[in-house]
Amino acid sequence: SQTIHQWPATLVQPVGSPLSLECTVEGTSNPNLYWYRQAAGRGLQLLFYSVGIGQISSEVPQNLSASRPQDRQFILSSKKLLLSDSGFYLCASTGTASTDTQYFGPGTRLTVL
Amino acid sequence: GESVGLHLPTLSVQEGDNSIINCAYSNSASDYFIWYKQESGKGPQFIIDIRSNMDKRQGQRVTVLLNKTVKHLSLQIAATQPGDSAVYFCAEALNTNAGKSTFGDGTTLTVKP
Repeated sequence: SQTIHQWPATLVQPVGSPLSLECTVEGTSNPNLYWYRQAAGRGLQLLFYSVGIGQISSEVPQNLSASRPQDRQFILSSKKLLLSDSGFYLCASTGTASTDTQYFGPGTRLTVL
Repeated sequence: GESVGLHLPTLSVQEGDNSIINCAYSNSASDYFIWYKQESGKGPQFIIDIRSNMDKRQGQRVTVLLNKTVKHLSLQIAATQPGDSAVYFCAEALNTNAGKSTFGDGTTLTVKP
């Protein structure tokens, strides 16, 4: 099975500051990678997904961007955070087969003040 | 667009009873459905999945039922235990891509001892 690492676990940032959240995956190669955001008491919203190095698809217009510099590394960034960027950010991974299970990381709790 | 919803936001059951969590989806083209369990402050954990060519699938203490006619999905947990207390999400995926899932808002299951 896959193991997904995310850091930091929690983050408090002022409005207008930059953001960089990192996700790394162990136990697989060439995974599909995903960034989700979860608002309090709600389900997950897919933000970005990647099927390979340098390949990023954005699902919703937003203040965030994603990059995949290495096969098992996925980064979520922002140049200037907004209050509405607060939330629980989850990185996920699947294999390339449609039957592969999706694994989630432990998440990063971001609070923008 | 598609939407996924859960019938009840909270469910309270007695330890040892069976639990049934329901979910409705709107996109008849969805061909893959997943149930996740999320404990407080953690990422979702895969429980069980089912494809649209099946009506029922069983796992360890869990059963997922799919009714395509009314676009309804349910998760049954047998002999519910305190460790089952969590938020449960159903998700649907299009084009058999497990990662690009649409999530409902979740049902909070509380197991009373």
